[in-house]
Amino acid sequence: SQQGEEDPQALSIQEGENATMNCSYKTSINNLQWYRQNSGRGLVHLILIRSNEREKHSGRLRVTLDTSKKSSSLLITASRAADTASYFCAVSGNTPLVFGKGTRLSVIA
Amino acid sequence: NAGVTQTPKFRVLKTGQSMTLLCAQDMNHEYMYWYRQDPGMGLRLIHYSVGEGTTAKGEVPDGYNVSRLKKQNFLLGLESAAPSQTSVYFCASRPTVNQPQHFGDGTRLSIL
Repeated sequence: SQQGEEDPQALSIQEGENATMNCSYKTSINNLQWYRQNSGRGLVHLILIRSNEREKHSGRLRVTLDTSKKSSSLLITASRAADTASYFCAVSGNTPLVFGKGTRLSVIA
Repeated sequence: NAGVTQTPKFRVLKTGQSMTLLCAQDMNHEYMYWYRQDPGMGLRLIHYSVGEGTTAKGEVPDGYNVSRLKKQNFLLGLESAAPSQTSVYFCASRPTVNQPQHFGDGTRLSIL
């Protein structure tokens, strides 16, 4: 299965702190994608990192990819209460995206 | 530009009833997907389509049927609803493989 598995399942931090969540997968990939889901809403794409990239930034988001370890991490710097959401990774090959169970992030003001 | 629109947003059914969930996208995307999301289970792929007139099974296809008669629409049908199909259903689309997916806001379906 190409499914990504997020870790930890839940994370609670104070506003202003950094949040790091990890994703592991088992097969070769073309790219890895991170999504956010606010309560009661659909998933929103955050960032895509290709298999030949090692790091990518978008605003307060930093994603790393280690294809030798088949893992990725998402770092949210200077977190805000509005970052409270579930975060999912999905690996992309030549088959449909398969999502893990997500990391539920709570940012406490 | 509405993106991905799902109708209805909420529905309550009785066991054995049938219904169709509609997904419409206005981005001219080739690929469309139906997922279900249950507590603690993440998103599971039900069926998907790689273009108008095509459909394929995903991870949990049993009890569901789909049709993609028009490129912009992807319909998910429940012929005889069961309580195990109580879930939140999400539709998604993307232009080509390996591109990000765009999601609708879901249909919350309860089957009594």
